Order: sequence, then structure tokens, then C-alpha cells
Amino acid sequence: DSGVTQTPKHLITATGQRVTLRCSPRSGDLSVYWYQQSLDQGLQFLIQYYNGEERAKGNILERFSAQQFPDLHSELNLSSLELGDSALYFCASSVLGGSEQYFGPGTRLTVT
Amino acid sequence: AQTVTQSQPEMSVQEAETVTLSCTYDTSESDYYLFWYKQPPSRQMILVIRQEAYKQQNATENRFSVNFQKAAKSFSLKISDSQLGDAAMYFCAYRSALLIQGAQKLVFGQGTRLTINP
Repeated sequence: DSGVTQTPKHLITATGQRVTLRCSPRSGDLSVYWYQQSLDQGLQFLIQYYNGEERAKGNILERFSAQQFPDLHSELNLSSLELGDSALYFCASSVLGGSEQYFGPGTRLTVT
Repeated sequence: AQTVTQSQPEMSVQEAETVTLSCTYDTSESDYYLFWYKQPPSRQMILVIRQEAYKQQNATENRFSVNFQKAAKSFSLKISDSQLGDAAMYFCAYRSALLIQGAQKLVFGQGTRLTINP
């Protein structure tokens, strides 16, 4: 158990809908990262937050957004969902500058 | 931009034997971290081993060890005495040591699926 929690584990929704994925980092970790794992794109970095502030953006679509709350949990919002958004979404956390990132169990999103 | 390449999509090994997974990377930085992550069928990403680029000594964690060749930009993972529980996807990953914005993200290779034959 990495100490990072993600909910829900599975999500099935229809095209055009909006979903929210939730992540709670390890105790003491201020940095949260979101990654997408899909069959065709592999594991890709989406976005990083540090202590409530956006710190880095990767290959994140404009339809996707994220935020980190004062209690340090983070949410990834995916809207106008398309079939191609079906993937495993991971959250990871670390201390700022810490070399190691600890991953949550992931949320499997299926868009039908 | 940094890239990570795993040229072996699949590997298999007999239980109790040794197997080596290959990884190469491209970067212009001199200080960085390299990782191997294991993803079993449960899909959980598990950190197996970490290597700091400034350290010449190869990292070792029990049955797992790496061969880090900085000049060649090569970072292979050796699994000794393979066990059935080692069956998984293995991902090589790179992370810059810089603390500037955007530098802490992990860049992953495409993965190698390891099968253990009993």
C-alpha cells in the first residue's frame, strides 16, 4: 500500500459526459501528479500540483482540468468525454524535490 | 525533451533463472534519476528500484539490480532467481533532478511484459 488513495476504482460513463476523479496523497506529501495510461499512448504525465498551485502541465487536453484543495487532495475533471478518453488514470504524490513518486491504485475510466 | 525507450515489448524466463530488461534514454542533463516500476495484473504501479545519475555504484534491492551506464545512456534491470510473482509489466522511467517547474514529471518507456515460466 503506497498510502495514496484514489476513488472511484472504476467508472463507466457515456460520451459527452463529465466525471471527477479524486486523489488523496500520502501524508506529508505536498506534490500531486496525474498520469494517464492508455493502450496507444502509454503512460503520460498530465499535470502537477504543489500545495494548491498548478506547477506543471503535460499533455493534458483542454477538456480536462484539475485542482488541489487546502487539505491537499486533488481532483481531475474530465468533460465532454470521448471514446478515446478511456484509460487508467493514476495519481502520484511526492515531497517537492523528492525523487520518488508513489502511485495510487488508479481509476479505470471506460467511456461508452 | 527527454525520451525513454524499452526495445523489448515482451520477455520470458524460467522460474529461478535470471533475466535482464533493457532501457535506454536520451537527455542533455547531467543530473537525473532513473527508476524501474513494476505493474502486475492488479495495475498498481510499484517502485522497484531507483538510481541517481551522480552515483557510479549500481543500485541493488534484494533480487533486483541495475546496470547503469551513464555515457551510453543505458539502464537495464536484472532480476535474479525469478519468481512467479515477478510476472508483470516493467516500466523504465526518467526524472530530472532540476527543481524548476515541470522538471519533476516522470517520463516512461513503453514497458516490457515479463512472463515467468514455471
